Amino acid sequence: GQQVMQIPQYQHVQEGEDFTTYCNSSTTLSNIQWYKQRPGGHPVFLIQLVKSGEVKKQKRLTFQFGEAKKNSSLHITATQTTDVGTYFCAGRMSGGSNYKLTFGKGTLLTVNP
Amino acid sequence: GAGVSQSPSNKVTEKGKDVELRCDPISGHTALYWYRQSLGQGLEFLIYFQGNSAPDKSGLPSDRFSAERTGGSVSTLTIQRTQQEDSAVYLCASSPHGSGNTIYFGEGSWLTVV
Repeated sequence: GQQVMQIPQYQHVQEGEDFTTYCNSSTTLSNIQWYKQRPGGHPVFLIQLVKSGEVKKQKRLTFQFGEAKKNSSLHITATQTTDVGTYFCAGRMSGGSNYKLTFGKGTLLTVNP
Repeated sequence: GAGVSQSPSNKVTEKGKDVELRCDPISGHTALYWYRQSLGQGLEFLIYFQGNSAPDKSGLPSDRFSAERTGGSVSTLTIQRTQQEDSAVYLCASSPHGSGNTIYFGEGSWLTVV
């Protein structure tokens, strides 16, 4: 079945440093979404990428979707303590059930003030 | 309500007992999902409902798990004869349709089987 892998599993940074998490799918995706889960909270939608090679920015966050639509990344510039949480990517398989989101295991980001 | 509502928020049960978890989706959302999240793990798809269509049950881990959605709104996830490995957060989510839409999660029901 479809697998979505994320690396790294954990990342600890000093406040102000940059952070990147990577997501790779075993199959081509129709779209990919990113979610953030604060400690003790539930996942909250951040963004959806649909087009091959798409790049979207939200303030200090930059999201990319690979040309082959099998990988994606989230980059945070100059991290802040409010960025702490687990970042999940979730993909919908191309040509498959277009409702089922397969989540990666997430990257837990901690930020040292 | 304004968001996806789940109850109970926390449940401690003895091994072998049955539990029911309830989800009230956002009003008007036709698609409803159940996911399971074990400690430090990702989200495991369990089941999907869309309108009056037959649900996708492909993620249910065993026949001890079942779910219903009455009247296209409220959903109940039932776990029979609970086992310790069932301990996890059970997250419900809904979306306006199901195809390519953002899904909105509830706060989850934390289940502990002792």
